[in-house]
Amino acid sequence: EIVLTQSPGTLSLSRGDRATLSCRASQRIGSNFLAWYQQKPGQAPTLLIYAASARATGVPDRFRGSGSGTDFTLTINRLEPEDFAVYYCQQYDNSLYTFGQGTKLEIK
Amino acid sequence: QLQLQESGPGLVKPSETLSLTCAVSDDSISTSNYYWGWIRQPPGKGLEWIGNIYYSGTTYYNPSLKSRVTISVDTSKNQFFLKMRSVTAADTAVYYCASSYTGSYDVDYWGQGTLVTVSS
Repeated sequence: EIVLTQSPGTLSLSRGDRATLSCRASQRIGSNFLAWYQQKPGQAPTLLIYAASARATGVPDRFRGSGSGTDFTLTINRLEPEDFAVYYCQQYDNSLYTFGQGTKLEIK
Repeated sequence: QLQLQESGPGLVKPSETLSLTCAVSDDSISTSNYYWGWIRQPPGKGLEWIGNIYYSGTTYYNPSLKSRVTISVDTSKNQFFLKMRSVTAADTAVYYCASSYTGSYDVDYWGQGTLVTVSS
């Protein structure tokens, strides 16, 4: 089973800053089946990025996913107030899904 | 676009069986494009994948929960189901039903979630 480790646990930034979130896998993720989600308090997560770098429908282009193999990054440029939330990465391998433990992006 | 809605008891006693239903609307559950699944989130904690089912009935489970979980589907009602046996307080969580596109294996549609509390 592939374990995903996200860092940092909490990221404190200001509006307009750039956020860089990391997701590291314990084994190589085949076919880049790696997704990123945003979750706001009291809401279900929403899909941001799939296949490591493809933006989901309606996701602003300030969200960018990158990486391959075992190291993946979610970059959020020019942070807006609505971007402060918890972010999870998720992978698929051998019919199993696992999630990272999450990164909380908070306003500094 | 797909809509998913969970339903079921919000309170379950320890050692009993948790049972939830997910109603799918705006598309057929018999499509080959999606897996249908369950994901849970204990209060204040992260997301845990429980398992998926394909419309054919093929199932895939989290190894850590496999011995206690059954996911099934009723294509005539456009619904799928979760049963979790022998629950404890550690199973208290918001349970989400969700769909996962078979092409990229991401979770693209989520229900609103339902809180299930395990307590006597």
